[in-house]
Amino acid sequence: AQKVTQAQTEISVVEKEDVTLDCVYETRDTTYYLFWYKQPPSGELVFLIRRNSFDEQNEISGRYSWNFQKSTSSFNFTITASQVVDSAVYFCALSEARNQGGKLIFGQGTELSVKP
Amino acid sequence: ETGVTQTPRHLVMGMTNKKSLKCEQHLGHNAMYWYKQSAKKPLELMFVYNFKEQTENNSVPSRFSPECPNSSHLFLHLHTLQPEDSALYLCASSQAGLAGTDTQYFGPGTRLTVL
Repeated sequence: AQKVTQAQTEISVVEKEDVTLDCVYETRDTTYYLFWYKQPPSGELVFLIRRNSFDEQNEISGRYSWNFQKSTSSFNFTITASQVVDSAVYFCALSEARNQGGKLIFGQGTELSVKP
Repeated sequence: ETGVTQTPRHLVMGMTNKKSLKCEQHLGHNAMYWYKQSAKKPLELMFVYNFKEQTENNSVPSRFSPECPNSSHLFLHLHTLQPEDSALYLCASSQAGLAGTDTQYFGPGTRLTVL
């Protein structure tokens, strides 16, 4: 069965703190894709990153970094030096290659609040 | 217009009304999706269209009726909804390939309230 778990429902930090959002997934496929999306209060889901199961290299994009570890089925997201504009709900998602048409399984989301 | 647009952004309707949600993608994609996001619940996939053909109906009640006249437009026709159908309805599009999935890009959503 495919499943995505984001155990942290809400996180509150003060500006400039580093924060890590956890994501654990379950799949029986050997080929799959993992995603992170950001949903600000406006509602639109903004694509942040896509990773395929064969690429375990960590990625850094500005203040954002992602740690993909197949051994623990985790795809964690770290924001360095958080800012108030980072306040949003963040979703981790999984798609299996055998699902033609790109069915995404979303986690419950983590609501991040960054206070000034 | 760029990306994925949705209209209206907000909609209030009675249980006996008929209304439609519209989604348009300007990305040249060939797959479109409807999702429902209720408060405190994860996103639920409702429908998937690939090359204008419906490829997935995730056990959605018949009071929701999708229509995809071409690869750029997707509608969700609403009829005799229930208050529990109040939610944010999100549209997405992607360039679906043979080898699996491609990234889905989302619109801003329609916030629906059923009275």
